[in-house]
Amino acid sequence: QQPVQSPQAVILREGEDAVINCSSSKALYSVHWYRQKHGEAPVFLMILLKGGEQKGHEKISASFNEKKQQSSLYLTASQLSYSGTYFCGTPRGGFQKLVFGTGTRLLVSP
Amino acid sequence: EPEVTQTPSHQVTQMGQEVILRCVPISNHLYFYWYRQILGQKVEFLVSFYNNEISEKSEIFDDQFSVERPDGSNFTLKIRSTKLEDSAMYFCASSSSGNNNEQFFGPGTRLTVL
Repeated sequence: QQPVQSPQAVILREGEDAVINCSSSKALYSVHWYRQKHGEAPVFLMILLKGGEQKGHEKISASFNEKKQQSSLYLTASQLSYSGTYFCGTPRGGFQKLVFGTGTRLLVSP
Repeated sequence: EPEVTQTPSHQVTQMGQEVILRCVPISNHLYFYWYRQILGQKVEFLVSFYNNEISEKSEIFDDQFSVERPDGSNFTLKIRSTKLEDSAMYFCASSSSGNNNEQFFGPGTRLTVL
């Protein structure tokens, strides 16, 4: 079963912050975050491997709450280049088949 | 920086025709994947490939689909008899390890079945 993301879409002005949530009814052993711009391939942002882990990537960071089976992606002081669709993914099966979440569309306007 | 490449970037075919989508994974990677994305929807796993065999496949990956690594560099996805609903973006990905490693995605092939 795929992870569920919220919100489905976000519109921000440049410089504003956003939080994107990813939750699963099944256990999450790790969470991968990707960003996909329109017409392009998904681009890896980060992996969170342990419950409680937090990571940062430029002004984008994420946390992982294993017990609650959820992860959150934090975008601070958003830039125009942050626009795109954000997917969380979680491995299922033995060889890292990634099951992606429902996606969150982010639009940053000037 | 090493990258995954895919050809062609766009393929148009008639229903019932066979298509082969090609990928060149990153050279030292050992795990290879195909995903597809129907327009406006999420990315869906099709198949993973390791050590010259399929390691996992989804319900979508039925008998019409096959994958092959014909030589040391190429990784192909064949659809034997295309259907209208096969129209999608197909992404190839590779990773160096199967254990929670980043998957690098190629730019995709847009398949249009008429």
